[in-house]
Amino acid sequence: NAGVTQTPKFQVLKTGQSMTLQCAQDMNHNSMYWYRQDPGMGLRLIYYSASEGTTDKGEVPNGYNVSRLNKREFSLRLESAAPSQTSVYFCASTKGVSYTDTQYFGPGTRLTVL
Amino acid sequence: ILNVEQSPQSLHVQEGDSTNFTCSFPSSNFYALHWYRWETAKSPEALFVMTLNGDEKKKGRISATLNTKEGYSYLYIKGSQPEDSATYLCAFSNYGGATNKLIFGTGTLLAVQP
Repeated sequence: NAGVTQTPKFQVLKTGQSMTLQCAQDMNHNSMYWYRQDPGMGLRLIYYSASEGTTDKGEVPNGYNVSRLNKREFSLRLESAAPSQTSVYFCASTKGVSYTDTQYFGPGTRLTVL
Repeated sequence: ILNVEQSPQSLHVQEGDSTNFTCSFPSSNFYALHWYRWETAKSPEALFVMTLNGDEKKKGRISATLNTKEGYSYLYIKGSQPEDSATYLCAFSNYGGATNKLIFGTGTLLAVQP
């Protein structure tokens, strides 16, 4: 099992460009999450999908959109990138929605917006 | 706004030293406390999930305790080894949502010198 995979690993964008970060999991998990990691701050939830066909906003959703394409895949889109979106983005998944379910993280995407 | 605080921010110890760090979280509506280990250039990996006041969990040389009434958890590492060097994250979830949304602390960075 690959677990949670993310593409790309690195990306540099210019302000105003758009891009989609891809995430896939092969653990048959129901719930998936997108976080961003910034220096001096904890992982912050951008969007999550409790199950296939549903998505909800997290703590910092502005400037992002998501698509739960199927049970395996959850993508994060930046429509018009801004320097404030320079960050490391992590995708995660859980088997279910229980508060005790362990989150499994992908390797991260390091995004720089110039 | 719910806040999770971890202390110290960083810790440098010698191989063989035992060490501990703290995670503080809001004590109201507590549901679960997660500990993750995050090595540089890798993804966070789950260590423990704790739900009950007084819970103690152990995995090898690493153990954790939980006090939900006063809102803190301790992580202990006995006889630190260089391979224990990592950032240790705690994450809190409280009752009130419909899914597994975690609030992460900023982590304690542990460096173990041989």
